[in-house]
Amino acid sequence: AQTVTQSQPEMSVQEAETVTLSCTYDTSENNYYLFWYKQPPSRQMILVIRQEAYKQQNATENRFSVNFQKAAKSFSLKISDSQLGDTAMYFCAFMKPFYSGAGSYQLTFGKGTKLSVIP
Amino acid sequence: KAGVTQTPRYLIKTRGQQVTLSCSPISGHRSVSWYQQTPGQGLQFLFEYFSETQRNKGNFPGRFSGRQFSNSRSEMNVSTLELGDSALYLCASSLKGRGRLPTYGYTFGSGTRLTVV
Repeated sequence: AQTVTQSQPEMSVQEAETVTLSCTYDTSENNYYLFWYKQPPSRQMILVIRQEAYKQQNATENRFSVNFQKAAKSFSLKISDSQLGDTAMYFCAFMKPFYSGAGSYQLTFGKGTKLSVIP
Repeated sequence: KAGVTQTPRYLIKTRGQQVTLSCSPISGHRSVSWYQQTPGQGLQFLFEYFSETQRNKGNFPGRFSGRQFSNSRSEMNVSTLELGDSALYLCASSLKGRGRLPTYGYTFGSGTRLTVV
């Protein structure tokens, strides 16, 4: 079974500074996808960034970027120029295909990191 | 484009009762997944439906069930509610074909907060 570990339950960062959230995972699969989701107090899970395991290049989305180390099974999220609106729970998630007939997929989430951006 | 809609937003039920939660996916999305979120266990996969068929089920008792309709709307049902069923239930939809990986991830709704008293 896949496991996802986020070792930092809580973090804080000053507005405009940079912060890195850690995530490690365990899998025997070679092909999979990794995601970072953000959950603000509104409760809705919002996709921040995704990474395909077969791609060497690290994904970037504006102020958000990842450091994907496949051999180390590490997938950290870097937030640059932190903004107050970045305050939220951040979840790292792993997805592999579950081969059952036509195929079915599920996300395995870490426990989350609560990020607070301080003005 | 409307997002994933979950109703109701909040629900309070008594132990032993049953409850039905509803999820309307993004138009055109045929896959709907359900997750349970609790402070202790985090986010756990319940089940996934595609074209009215349950494709995958997580490690939950038979009291948890679901279904999907021809318009891709989905419902999940919990019978004989227990205090431990109190949680945020999240629904997610994705656009994918048979056997194809939803590479852009899932779009989640805002969830239904279920409190069992």
